[in-house]
Amino acid sequence: GAVVSQHPSRVICKSGTSVKIECRSLDFQATTMFWYRQFPKQSLMLMATSNEGSKATYEQGVEKDKFLINHASLTLSTLTVTSAHPEDSSFYICSASLVDNEQFFGPGTRLTVL
Amino acid sequence: RKEVEQDPGPFNVPEGATVAFNCTYSNSASQSFFWYRQDCRKEPKLLMSVYSSGNEDGRFTAQLNRASQYISLLIRDSKLSDSATYLCVVNSPSSNTGKLIFGQGTTLQVKP
Repeated sequence: GAVVSQHPSRVICKSGTSVKIECRSLDFQATTMFWYRQFPKQSLMLMATSNEGSKATYEQGVEKDKFLINHASLTLSTLTVTSAHPEDSSFYICSASLVDNEQFFGPGTRLTVL
Repeated sequence: RKEVEQDPGPFNVPEGATVAFNCTYSNSASQSFFWYRQDCRKEPKLLMSVYSSGNEDGRFTAQLNRASQYISLLIRDSKLSDSATYLCVVNSPSSNTGKLIFGQGTTLQVKP
C-alpha cells in the first residue's frame, strides 16, 4: 500500500511558539492531502484539505491564520501551528488519497503545548 | 444528528467470540464506505472497504444496507490482537476531493 510519513512524531513546546509538521507521500504523488486533529477519546476531525499548488480548504471553525498549510510539491504538505497554546495540544494526523476515496494516513504527530 | 454514528462501546468479549458493530450515516448520496482500525495512540489503518453486495476478508465481514443507511462489521473468532477502536468512515458526497467523514469509533476489548 501507499506510504505516508509524518515528522516529527512528537513535539513539546512552550506556549506562543510555532510548530511545523511535515507530511510526505513516499511512493506516490498526492495532489490532495488532508489534515486531521484528534483529541483524546474523540474521533478524527478534518481540519483542512491541502491542494498542491493552491490554497488549502479549511473546515468550518478552523482558523486558517492559525493553522497554516503549504502544499508546495506533490509529495509534501506542511501544517504550521502558529502561536500554539495549551488548547492546541492534540494528535495531528495527515493523510493522502489515492483511488476510490481510500486514504492512507501518516503515523501522526503528538503535540503538547506547555 | 451526527453524519456518521456509532456506538462507542466498549465491547468486552472473550477470545473466540463473534462480535458485531453497527454504524449509520445520514447522507444517502454517500458512495464510499470503509472500516478503519485505530490502535491506541496510533494512526487509523484501513481494515476493509464496504461494498454493496457485502464482502468478507478472513474473519471479518462487512455489510452495507443503502436503504437503511446502515453499515456493519462482523468479527468472528475474536483474537486478543483485535482489541482496538473500529472507525466507520463514509465519503462526503458534496466534496470532489475525497473528503471522508469519520464516526466516533467503537472500542473492542478482547479478553483471554
